[in-house]
Amino acid sequence: NAGVTQTPKFQVLKTGQSMTLQCAQDMNHNSMYWYRQDPGMGLRLIYYSASEGTTDKGEVPNGYNVSRLNKREFSLRLESAAPSQTSVYFCASSDSSGSTDTQYFGPGTRLTVL
Amino acid sequence: GEDVEQSLFLSVREGDSSVINCTYTDSSSTYLYWYKQEPGAGLQLLTYIFSNMDMKQDQRLTVLLNKKDKHLSLRIADTQTGDSAIYFCAESTGGFKTIFGAGTRLFVKA
Repeated sequence: NAGVTQTPKFQVLKTGQSMTLQCAQDMNHNSMYWYRQDPGMGLRLIYYSASEGTTDKGEVPNGYNVSRLNKREFSLRLESAAPSQTSVYFCASSDSSGSTDTQYFGPGTRLTVL
Repeated sequence: GEDVEQSLFLSVREGDSSVINCTYTDSSSTYLYWYKQEPGAGLQLLTYIFSNMDMKQDQRLTVLLNKKDKHLSLRIADTQTGDSAIYFCAESTGGFKTIFGAGTRLFVKA
């Protein structure tokens, strides 16, 4: 039972390049989330998927797209990377049918855009 | 809008108690959480409290909630060097929206 896994762990891009961050969970959770973490700013929600087949914008969606490929997988795409997207990206999942909506986080992807 | 605020740093000596404070703005919060982040890792849930509770104790952890002042605290008794981490306060009002604070970095001095 791996929980939430993310690939890659580290990535360096040049401005304008594109890439996709992968996330998978094996807990049969309905909901999945993408956050970015910047120093002194906590976690900010980029996009979330309440259930398979749905996605919605969070607080900071500009410059990103997402795909909920199936119940397990939720990917985040940067079409044209910018230095402002240098950050640590976390994927999370939750069993939104439960009472507490506790989120389970992956280990993160550290992205640098030059 | 909703906001969660925490002090950024706390330093304590090993064996002392640590108290990490948090204030939030949304009075309709249903659950309030404390997450822990160790270096190079994702966040892990430490504990949570339902909004109709005043206190919750779990081994060395005590959570106090003052709804009137919208103030949440996490007390760690007998703090150990392994408790050094970043602690995030978060509130949930349902609707797939959890608001996280910026995190308090706890330093434990041996």
